[in-house]
Amino acid sequence: RKEVEQDPGPFNVPEGATVAFNCTYSNSASQSFFWYRQDCRKEPKLLMSVYSSGNEDGRFTAQLNRASQYISLLIRDSKLSDSATYLCVVNAYGNKLVFGAGTILRVKS
Amino acid sequence: GAVVSQHPSRVICKSGTSVKIECRSLDFQATTMFWYRQFPKQSLMLMATSNEGSKATYEQGVEKDKFLINHASLTLSTLTVTSAHPEDSSFYICSATLAGVVDTQYFGPGTRLTVL
Repeated sequence: RKEVEQDPGPFNVPEGATVAFNCTYSNSASQSFFWYRQDCRKEPKLLMSVYSSGNEDGRFTAQLNRASQYISLLIRDSKLSDSATYLCVVNAYGNKLVFGAGTILRVKS
Repeated sequence: GAVVSQHPSRVICKSGTSVKIECRSLDFQATTMFWYRQFPKQSLMLMATSNEGSKATYEQGVEKDKFLINHASLTLSTLTVTSAHPEDSSFYICSATLAGVVDTQYFGPGTRLTVL
């Protein structure tokens, strides 16, 4: 089983749509959780950290469910510029980040 | 702030040659740097953790004699791919942290290596 699993997609949505991604992780002792965004042939960029209480940053909302070991990302009012690969990332062992393979989002006009 | 550069951004080499990739923290001192590799449509895979002034810690399955890492200063780490083969073609990305805070990593722009 992969340490961090994501649906690879792609998710094809129209502008203005709401889209949600889920991610599961295998290590129940994991402490830190993140969503990164990666554009084609570029480095990953931190989108937001994920806290147990859930957190929101503009159009983006992240949730953590420790009991079920999954993390979610909700994007509201999708923009063309949101098209990218979204990476679920977990600090599973305290000393390194483990990346999921990513979920591809394509927002179309 | 917290800018990390990598050089070169792209390299094409012949099989059997060695390639050196540099990772620099431009405006901060990085006690710890990480080297990742990403194959097409796959996740970033950590190759090794590099601490300034000490030997790198390699992940399971990564050959330390093939992927030489040197972190001689607080602003520079290098990865040398020795005797490169086509299967080493990949996107290599480094990241740097302040005071070894793993959760906060600043990523370089990556180096795309193609081995012919």
